[in-house]
Amino acid sequence: DAKTTQPTSMDCAEGRAANLPCNHSTISGNEYVYWYRQIHSQGPQYIIHGLKNNETNEMASLIITEDRKSSTLILPHATLRDTAVYYCIVRSLNQAGTALIFGKGTTLSVSS
Amino acid sequence: DVKVTQSSRYLVKRTGEKVFLECVQDMDHENMFWYRQDPGLGLRLIYFSYDVKMKEKGDIPEGYSVSREKKERFSLILESASTNQTSMYLCASSRQSVYEQYFGPGTRLTVT
Repeated sequence: DAKTTQPTSMDCAEGRAANLPCNHSTISGNEYVYWYRQIHSQGPQYIIHGLKNNETNEMASLIITEDRKSSTLILPHATLRDTAVYYCIVRSLNQAGTALIFGKGTTLSVSS
Repeated sequence: DVKVTQSSRYLVKRTGEKVFLECVQDMDHENMFWYRQDPGLGLRLIYFSYDVKMKEKGDIPEGYSVSREKKERFSLILESASTNQTSMYLCASSRQSVYEQYFGPGTRLTVT
């Protein structure tokens, strides 16, 4: 698996955009970038994934650089409920039946 | 929306008891997973199943067994609970050919 590197923690003011970076410089051509988050004492929640194009859904946007060596998860208008640990994972589709492996992730703290 | 439910949010059992944790998903997913999550150790896969009556050991199957008699239900069994099985247990499901996994709320099990 390609290794990912994320900052340990970030702060964001409520209502502002939260931009969470992830480095994955060893990513290979068939590997996707996935983002999950885990709010305290809850199960992890899938957010978004992408291969090389930017993606947007109702929760977030994912921007992947042209060389695919890094990406940014954007929460456009962060709320207090977005306070969570955010995990960036890189995996290929042929590993769909295998376990997720979370690193340490980024702890995002949203404050009013 | 995908819904994964787990039978209990909190459970307290005594050493030596047989413990059943149930997980049900309502999206006709082929794959189901049981993880445990402990501070500093991240998510660890116990067992997974890619079809009814099929099961595969994960990274830490010792002391656990599973049952999948119906597609929507995946049960984790602790044959004789021990204090080192005190943990957060997370169930997840996914389609066969995609990678995003959907998690239940978790069961926090305490063995005394």
